[in-house]
Amino acid sequence: EIVLTQSPGTLSLSPGERATLSCKASQSITSRSFAWYQQKPGQAPRVLIYAAFTRATGIPDRFSGSGSGTDFTLTITRLEPEDFAVYFCQQYDNSPFTFGPGTRVEIK
Amino acid sequence: EVQLVQSGAEVKRPGSTVRISCKVSGYIFIDYYMHWVRQAPGKGLEWLGFIDPEDGKTIYAEKFQGRVTVTADTSTDTAYMHLSSLTSEDTAVYYCATSRGHFDNWGQGTLVTVSS
Repeated sequence: EIVLTQSPGTLSLSPGERATLSCKASQSITSRSFAWYQQKPGQAPRVLIYAAFTRATGIPDRFSGSGSGTDFTLTITRLEPEDFAVYFCQQYDNSPFTFGPGTRVEIK
Repeated sequence: EVQLVQSGAEVKRPGSTVRISCKVSGYIFIDYYMHWVRQAPGKGLEWLGFIDPEDGKTIYAEKFQGRVTVTADTSTDTAYMHLSSLTSEDTAVYYCATSRGHFDNWGQGTLVTVSS
């Protein structure tokens, strides 16, 4: 099983600041099989980035993904009020399709 | 517009079985795999398994092998997830989600509470 570790656990930032979220995999993942999701309280997750760096439909360009192998990053260039949420990484390269534990981005 | 509408909340006794449905619309049902993911209160996301509605092939997480069954009814465009031998640790929100890779459309979630 591929284990994903996210850091930091919580990120306290102000609107307008830059957020950098990290996800590390226990073994190398094919870049086309890596995604980032955003989840707000009481809602289902929604995909932001897939295939490591491709923005999903309707996702603003302040969200970007990068990385390869075992190290992946989600960057939010300028935080908007609606971006404060929990972010999960996921690999769908190998079954079981695992998720990271999440990074909470909270208002400072 | 793609929609996945799940059945309502359930309260179950330990040892029982729960069945959750996921009715889809807005796309061709057999064109996407259907996954099931759960989230315990205040916790992260856990994948249970998926089905290819076109041929009924399933793959389950080893942790749930023998307890989970996912089916798809192509006549009603509905997927089902059965989870048996429930314990309090199965209390969670259960989601269905479509994919051809990443999970691009999600149901609204179904809360399952296991309590005696």
